[in-house]
Amino acid sequence: AQSVTQLDSHVSVSEGTPVLLRCNYSSSYSPSLFWYVQHPNKGLQLLLKYTSAATLVKGINGFEAEFKKSETSFHLTKPSAHMSDAAEYFCVVSDGLSNTGKLIFGQGTTLQVKP
Amino acid sequence: GAGVSQSPSNKVTEKGKDVELRCDPISGHTALYWYRQSLGQGLEFLIYFQGNSAPDKSGLPSDRFSAERTGGSVSTLTIQRTQQEDSAVYLCASSLNGGRAPDTQYFGPGTRLTVL
Repeated sequence: AQSVTQLDSHVSVSEGTPVLLRCNYSSSYSPSLFWYVQHPNKGLQLLLKYTSAATLVKGINGFEAEFKKSETSFHLTKPSAHMSDAAEYFCVVSDGLSNTGKLIFGQGTTLQVKP
Repeated sequence: GAGVSQSPSNKVTEKGKDVELRCDPISGHTALYWYRQSLGQGLEFLIYFQGNSAPDKSGLPSDRFSAERTGGSVSTLTIQRTQQEDSAVYLCASSLNGGRAPDTQYFGPGTRLTVL
């Protein structure tokens, strides 16, 4: 079965400092991996996606993630946090077994940014 | 262009009543997905449509839940005899294509369902 595990339920950083949100995946196929962000009372927005091209994926708003097959990880990083980055972040894998493209979500990481 | 829209944005109902939730996908998107976001279960898949057919209904939690899609566009999720555990945010997403190599899914703002 495919799954993702977000290693931290809550991360707190100061504005201007780096962000690291950790995600490990489990997949018997070459996975398609995504990071989505959900701001309070807003819909889910795609930050970035990995689909077996370059292992370092750049997304919107200065975020990037690196696919590491040897570590089965897909951690999300940003060099300098902004107050507007405070939100819920979801690491997601596409279910390659079902031939539907349905998404399997991690439990989410709440990012708090302190002034 | 317009994104995925859902209606109503909020729905409060009494236990035992039926509810209908609507999703308007992005025009031209053949794949449509319903997900549910609840405090206890996180975000979970409910059903997948390709065109008007639903090849994967594996996420529907009980036979009280059903969904249909007409004209390859609008979808309706129906919950019969609602229970308190059905309280959640119901999210709809669409993508250009589904399948094994799916395109990016774009999500609507969700319908928050509260069952009293």
